[in-house]
Amino acid sequence: EAGVAQSPRYKIIEKRQSVAFWCNPISGHATLYWYQQILGQGPKLLIQFQNNGVVDDSQLPKDRFSAERLKGVDSTLKIQPAKLEDSAVYLCASTSSGSTGELFFGEGSRLTVL
Amino acid sequence: AQSVTQPDIHITVSEGASLELRCNYSYGATPYLFWYVQSPGQGLQLLLKYFSGDTLVQGIKGFEAEFKRSQSSFNLRKPSVHWSDAAEYFCAVGPLGLTFGGGTRVLVKP
Repeated sequence: EAGVAQSPRYKIIEKRQSVAFWCNPISGHATLYWYQQILGQGPKLLIQFQNNGVVDDSQLPKDRFSAERLKGVDSTLKIQPAKLEDSAVYLCASTSSGSTGELFFGEGSRLTVL
Repeated sequence: AQSVTQPDIHITVSEGASLELRCNYSYGATPYLFWYVQSPGQGLQLLLKYFSGDTLVQGIKGFEAEFKRSQSSFNLRKPSVHWSDAAEYFCAVGPLGLTFGGGTRVLVKP
């Protein structure tokens, strides 16, 4: 079974530029999450999708971050404009409906903002 | 709401010695509890999980954890640490998505 796929693995941009990250969850997984992991900290939930609907985006900085999950499969997380403090690893995770909470994580996309 | 606290930021242990990592959670009902490990440059790997039943759960790589409802704790243990266990360990609580603790970095001395 293929795991959660993310791209790009690494991205370096200047502040005020924009960036987009892509995630392809495990086939059949209805729930998808984006987490932000700043160096030295635990992952922080940014947004949760159930199929193509948003369940929780309370911690998403909506003035600069956006995410979508068209057709309930792949998802894209965008940052525009980026700030220095957005430097982090962006983790995508998925789980099946009715699961007991176990998330399957991708390897992450590491963003460096200069 | 749910939350997790990992009181120890760093722990240094000698190879072959035992290891215990602390985790305290807050959740109004029966939580789902997880321990993940993250090695440098690697993704998050699930070590073990607790949903219900036996409060002592066994995981991969010789790890185990015990759920203690009265103490709101889910501490991770390993009887004998190997150098390859040096990593960052995260406790997480569900079922409202996963909320992670700040992590404990484990250093292993030869």
